[in-house]
Amino acid sequence: DQQVKQNSPSLSVQEGRISILNCDYTNSMFDYFLWYKKYPAEGPTFLISISSIKDKNEDGRFTVFLNKSAKHLSLHIVPSQPGDSAVYFCAWGEQGGKLIFGQGTELSVKP
Amino acid sequence: KAGVTQTPRYLIKTRGQQVTLSCSPISGHRSVSWYQQTPGQGLQFLFEYFSETQRNKGNFPGRFSGRQFSNSRSEMNVSTLELGDSALYLCASSLVGGYNEQFFGPGTRLTVL
Repeated sequence: DQQVKQNSPSLSVQEGRISILNCDYTNSMFDYFLWYKKYPAEGPTFLISISSIKDKNEDGRFTVFLNKSAKHLSLHIVPSQPGDSAVYFCAWGEQGGKLIFGQGTELSVKP
Repeated sequence: KAGVTQTPRYLIKTRGQQVTLSCSPISGHRSVSWYQQTPGQGLQFLFEYFSETQRNKGNFPGRFSGRQFSNSRSEMNVSTLELGDSALYLCASSLVGGYNEQFFGPGTRLTVL
């Protein structure tokens, strides 16, 4: 079974600096990963995704990197803004509408 | 375009009761997935429906069930509630499921006393 792990429960970053959130996974099948952001009392909001045919995907301030040999992906936010403070989830996407989520990393961006 | 809506937003039940939660997907989306979020277990997949058929199921007991209607609206039911069922239940929709990104509703907060 695929497992997705986010080993850092929290991260604190200064406004304007780079935030790097990490995620590891166990099984190498067709890989499709998504990052979601979640505020309290709201559902997760899709941020960015990447498939195994790429090693990088960029959307504005958000860039996701996929290292297939290390079974590792990371989300970079540059520059970080106070409004980015939220819980970030990495998820592995399976056919049939199933997402396997990591435990989440709470990002705090300080002014 | 209206987002995913879930009703009710908050629910309090007692052990042994049953509960039904409702989800209306984004117009045109045919896939609806359900997730349970708890502090200890994080976000866990319950099941996914596409065109009124359950296509995928997570590792939850049979007390958790769902269905999807012809208009893609979905309901999930939990029977014989246990204290551990207290959680945020999230519904997500996507065009056809699979590798499409999923759009989440605000969730239903269920408290079992």
